[in-house]
Amino acid sequence: DAEITQSPRHKITETGRQVTLACHQTWNHNNMFWYRQDLGHGLRLIHYSYGVQDTNKGEVSDGYSVSRSNTEDLPLTLESAASSQTSVYFCASSGRIQETQYFGPGTRLLVL
Amino acid sequence: AQTVTQSQPEMSVQEAETVTLSCTYDTSENNYYLFWYKQPPSRQMILVIRQEAYKQQNATENRFSVNFQKAAKSFSLKISDSQLGDTAMYFCAFAIIQGAQKLVFGQGTRLTINP
Repeated sequence: DAEITQSPRHKITETGRQVTLACHQTWNHNNMFWYRQDLGHGLRLIHYSYGVQDTNKGEVSDGYSVSRSNTEDLPLTLESAASSQTSVYFCASSGRIQETQYFGPGTRLLVL
Repeated sequence: AQTVTQSQPEMSVQEAETVTLSCTYDTSENNYYLFWYKQPPSRQMILVIRQEAYKQQNATENRFSVNFQKAAKSFSLKISDSQLGDTAMYFCAFAIIQGAQKLVFGQGTRLTINP
């Protein structure tokens, strides 16, 4: 069955370190998204991609970057982790025709 | 910019009762989708139901149905015959149709079904 996976599921890091969160989908979806979830804010969009080599900034993109070298993967990089980036991160994907987004299981990140 | 508001931070009902979760949104767009996602304690985001704005008929999925009032920009979720497994956070979300659909989420409603 097609799916979307994230790794790691839990991560503890220190302030200032670079961190990369992986997202892999086997739906063959063109569109991929990264969201963060914080108490009182629901989910907020960080970055998104419409296809290979395409990336776009979302609502809360400062301090994050993404790259899309193939259809299946959209890694999220925190260039220099900050305590404000402690959050739960969700990856999602959707097809060109089918607009519903399917979510990965989430990554809980703690920045100390 | 689009905004989504869920005015009920928490709700609690008894098993088998019917419960309605409220959602309002603000947009100048005419073509869009509305969604309800469920997030159980496992944290997985699960699509519950989807509504296309151009459809007048309210969407239904088994025990889940919506009341979509486009003029009022209201999109409520009704859960009938509630079950213990319905206990979760529920998020209302909005996306415009054109291009890749960037979801805008409400703050969520924590629903507890009591035995």
